[in-house]
Amino acid sequence: SQTIHQWPATLVQPVGSPLSLECTVEGTSNPNLYWYRQAAGRGLQLLFYSVGIGQISSEVPQNLSASRPQDRQFILSSKKLLLSDSGFYLCAWKSSGANVLTFGAGSRLTVL
Amino acid sequence: GEDVEQSLFLSVREGDSSVINCTYTDSSSTYLYWYKQEPGAGLQLLTYIFSNMDMKQDQRLTVLLNKKDKHLSLRIADTQTGDSAIYFCAELNYGGATNKLIFGTGTLLAVQP
Repeated sequence: SQTIHQWPATLVQPVGSPLSLECTVEGTSNPNLYWYRQAAGRGLQLLFYSVGIGQISSEVPQNLSASRPQDRQFILSSKKLLLSDSGFYLCAWKSSGANVLTFGAGSRLTVL
Repeated sequence: GEDVEQSLFLSVREGDSSVINCTYTDSSSTYLYWYKQEPGAGLQLLTYIFSNMDMKQDQRLTVLLNKKDKHLSLRIADTQTGDSAIYFCAELNYGGATNKLIFGTGTLLAVQP
């Protein structure tokens, strides 16, 4: 069966520090991968998605970047965090032909 | 453009029915979804409906779709305290290299004992 893992689950970082959140999927190959952000009091915003290794699409301009170094690995990064980067970051995957997303448990980032 | 809207908060008493509403703008959406998020957790798919359906029932959950008005609702019968969570409506968007889900702001359901 397929599983999705995100880590770290919780992160507290100072303003200006770098960020790396990692997401991996097991039990499938060539998944479509997604990063969403849930800010306090707001809905889910799609940040990035990827249909294959090295293929990244950005939905909104921001202080973050994404990379897909391996087929089942999706990384969300920042060189210098801003206060506004605080939020709950959710990774999700689906098979390329499917229409249902499966989410990871999320990573809560607090920038102080 | 794509936009999904929901009311932010709903409070019901245990045992009553809950109805959570959602409106969407993309008339080409073929799938519409309801996800549940418990505190501090990821999203769990509850149910989804294909756009050629008006209604879908799954145990205590009933989804109604009014495609003309672009209105989706989720009814939870006999609401329990364990149903307290944030409920997200989402529509499938076909733009770009892959299908994407566009989510609403979420409705916080509070169930009073």
